[in-house]
Amino acid sequence: GEDVEQSLFLSVREGDSSVINCTYTDSSSTYLYWYKQEPGAGLQLLTYIFSNMDMKQDQRLTVLLNKKDKHLSLRIADTQTGDSAIYFCAAINDYKLSFGAGTTVTVRA
Amino acid sequence: EAQVTQNPRYLITVTGKKLTVTCSQNMNHEYMSWYRQDPGLGLRQIYYSMNVEVTDKGDVPEGYKVSRKEKRNFPLILESPSPNQTSLYFCASKLRGVGTDTQYFGPGTRLTVL
Repeated sequence: GEDVEQSLFLSVREGDSSVINCTYTDSSSTYLYWYKQEPGAGLQLLTYIFSNMDMKQDQRLTVLLNKKDKHLSLRIADTQTGDSAIYFCAAINDYKLSFGAGTTVTVRA
Repeated sequence: EAQVTQNPRYLITVTGKKLTVTCSQNMNHEYMSWYRQDPGLGLRQIYYSMNVEVTDKGDVPEGYKVSRKEKRNFPLILESPSPNQTSLYFCASKLRGVGTDTQYFGPGTRLTVL
């Protein structure tokens, strides 16, 4: 099956940009997603990118996809305390969604 | 309100005692799925269902069963739970299996098997 990997922790100062990186193994993945999980809650879809796109911007969020290197990143501009959460990268292939282990983002004042 | 509900939210049980975690969605979604979340491993898919009476194994199906007799319900059954099934379980649904449809997650069920 697909392997999706991401770093486990990121600490960022309030107001700075956060960049969360992810790599995946299956080049036939059609869509790649970023989910956010706040403490005690389920997962919330933040954004997604189709595999034939290089970049997608949605307000403070920018997704970059390097299909050749199978590398996905999520940039959060002007990071706020409400952005503290676990962020999951996910890839879909053949109706199966594979998740990374999640990156815990801590925003410090 | 569009939602995915799971019951129970918390469950402590003993090895070997059969249990069922229910999942229900009110959005008429075709696709439903079960995941388990473990520290450092992220979410791993247990089973998914593309529609009524259609179920398929995910990445970690061993020790679990599911059924999809109605579109809205997708129960997860542990016939003989073991301690390694202690985990946080999420049910999710979406309109179809692929694409940009948002996947809605339930609130989670924290299961402890002693």
